[in-house]
Amino acid sequence: DQQVKQNSPSLSVQEGRISILNCDYTNSMFDYFLWYKKYPAEGPTFLISISSIKDKNEDGRFTVFLNKSAKHLSLHIVPSQPGDSAVYFCAASARNQGGKLIFGQGTELSVKP
Amino acid sequence: DTEVTQTPKHLVMGMTNKKSLKCEQHMGHRAMYWYKQKAKKPPELMFVYSYEKLSINESVPSRFSPECPNSSLLNLHLHALQPEDSALYLCASSHVGQGVGGYTFGSGTRLTVV
Repeated sequence: DQQVKQNSPSLSVQEGRISILNCDYTNSMFDYFLWYKKYPAEGPTFLISISSIKDKNEDGRFTVFLNKSAKHLSLHIVPSQPGDSAVYFCAASARNQGGKLIFGQGTELSVKP
Repeated sequence: DTEVTQTPKHLVMGMTNKKSLKCEQHMGHRAMYWYKQKAKKPPELMFVYSYEKLSINESVPSRFSPECPNSSLLNLHLHALQPEDSALYLCASSHVGQGVGGYTFGSGTRLTVV
């Protein structure tokens, strides 16, 4: 049972345009959500997070939106840059689960010059 | 220091070998984690240590033995592994509960079992 789903395995975007990565979850106990970026042969790098008491969090070019009723979150990157090309993982945790992170399958973003 | 350091970066071991993976952080995080990531798959949680005590074991086979000797160090002892255990092993740390900035991951140890 996949509790965190990223249904798009890949996304290709032109440099300067907006990249939108989507993530759905099924567990209503999740109250903290994170996005990680991963290059090959490296560990995931934290990008941005959002608590369930918020619906939006912004950090520079990155904005995460949370729709609790739809159990959906998205990561917007604008403007997209070639250096943003990587695999992006959505992850979720619940306060009563001891810090356990559940990851989605990842979306490979390719930003073309 | 805002890093999680994992050693070695690469490890090749035979099925009868005993080896250890090491992880170190000096951010004052009291929660530390081992994740396993196979190619094209998301990281999967193996173990969680909270205040140097094992708090979560995700039904990991006993050929993987974690150890947390102090608040800065986390080890994963490996014995009698199988080729299907080949993967990227990631260590992470955070404040207990949920870190405001999320977890910090190390770069991982790429393990190959032959």
